[in-house]
Amino acid sequence: EIVMTQSPATLSVSPGERATLSCRASQDISSNLAWYQQKPGQAPRLLIYGASTRATGIPARFSGSGSGTEFTLTISSLQSEDFSVYYCQQYSHWPSFGQGTRLQIK
Amino acid sequence: EVQLVQPGAEVKKPGESLKISCKGSGYSFTKYWIAWVRQMPGKGLEWMGIIYPGDSDKRYSPSFQGQVTISADKSISTAYLQWSSLKASDTAMYYCARGVVTDIYWHFDLWGRGTLVTVSS
Repeated sequence: EIVMTQSPATLSVSPGERATLSCRASQDISSNLAWYQQKPGQAPRLLIYGASTRATGIPARFSGSGSGTEFTLTISSLQSEDFSVYYCQQYSHWPSFGQGTRLQIK
Repeated sequence: EVQLVQPGAEVKKPGESLKISCKGSGYSFTKYWIAWVRQMPGKGLEWMGIIYPGDSDKRYSPSFQGQVTISADKSISTAYLQWSSLKASDTAMYYCARGVVTDIYWHFDLWGRGTLVTVSS
């Protein structure tokens, strides 16, 4: 089983600033990584796949990078609707998710 | 509209059986995998298993193998997740999600709104 570890657990950032979320895989997963956003009371939404490809309709302020075991999701200028929980998921082997990072308003 | 539709909630007693559904529309249901993902109260996402409705090929997470059964009826574009004997610990939100395969495994590009299953005596 590939274990995904996200950091930090909670990130406090002011609107308009940049947020950087990290995800680490317990073994090499190449670029087989996706990021999801989950707002309270809603289903997850795909943001990024292939480590860096934005899903359909996702604003350009969301970007993903990394390969191998270290990955980053960057939100360049936080909007009010961006404050939610973010999960990474690997699909190099049986799918597994990170434990999530809660992005909250500072 | 491309969507996966799930019932909102189910309330059951321990020991009872349950089968929840996920109906796809707006796309070719038989050409995409459908996964089930559990989210326990206040917790993260757990992949349970997946089925290809085109031929009912299915895979289970080792953590859920033997605990649940995944099936599909392609004639009505619906996938199912079922339990034969529920436990209180099965209380959770259950999402279905459309799987897009890359090489061998999947990421999930379309999600249902989830079915909240509550098991309580």
